Amino acid sequence: AQSVTQLDSQVPVFEEAPVELRCNYSSSVSVYLFWYVQYPNQGLQLLLKYLSGSTLVKGINGFEAEFNKSQTSFHLRKPSVHISDTAEYFCAVSANLIQGAQKLVFGQGTRLTINP
Amino acid sequence: KAGVTQTPRYLIKTRGQQVTLSCSPISGHRSVSWYQQTPGQGLQFLFEYFSETQRNKGNFPGRFSGRQFSNSRSEMNVSTLELGDSALYLCASSLRGAAEAFFGQGTRLTVV
Repeated sequence: AQSVTQLDSQVPVFEEAPVELRCNYSSSVSVYLFWYVQYPNQGLQLLLKYLSGSTLVKGINGFEAEFNKSQTSFHLRKPSVHISDTAEYFCAVSANLIQGAQKLVFGQGTRLTINP
Repeated sequence: KAGVTQTPRYLIKTRGQQVTLSCSPISGHRSVSWYQQTPGQGLQFLFEYFSETQRNKGNFPGRFSGRQFSNSRSEMNVSTLELGDSALYLCASSLRGAAEAFFGQGTRLTVV
């Protein structure tokens, strides 16, 4: 079974400052890793994903994440945040199963608040 | 290309009633998954359907059920509603063999 821990429930940051949202996972099998963003009263939008290959993954809206297998981490970073980045961010993992069976396990979420 | 469409967006039901939520996946996507999102439990996997067959099931009581039609549209049903079933229900679709899932905007169910 897989599990995901997002280490911070809330992260306040000033506009144009850098931010890192932390995510650790555990799994006994190889996994795919994802970061999703959720704006108020909306569904989830995929920011980026790690399936294999390069451990540094670039996503939309200037976000990037680094897969660290030895530390079982997949932290999300942005060098300079904007007010519009205020949202809830979810780290998720799915087992690398045959047929691409979809069963995402999510962390509890990190609420990112950008202050002017 | 249209995204994942969930209907209705909002729903208010009374305890003891049953409810059916609908999800139309992205054209060509045959895998549909359902998730429940609550402030206390976060995002939890309900079940996944592929080609009208349930492939995965989460840890929810039997009051929660689903099905998928030949056109890949999916419905989930909750019977004998409880106050604790109030949540945002999210549907996601994906291509066969793909790891990436695309989410709809969700149906917010309120049980009173």
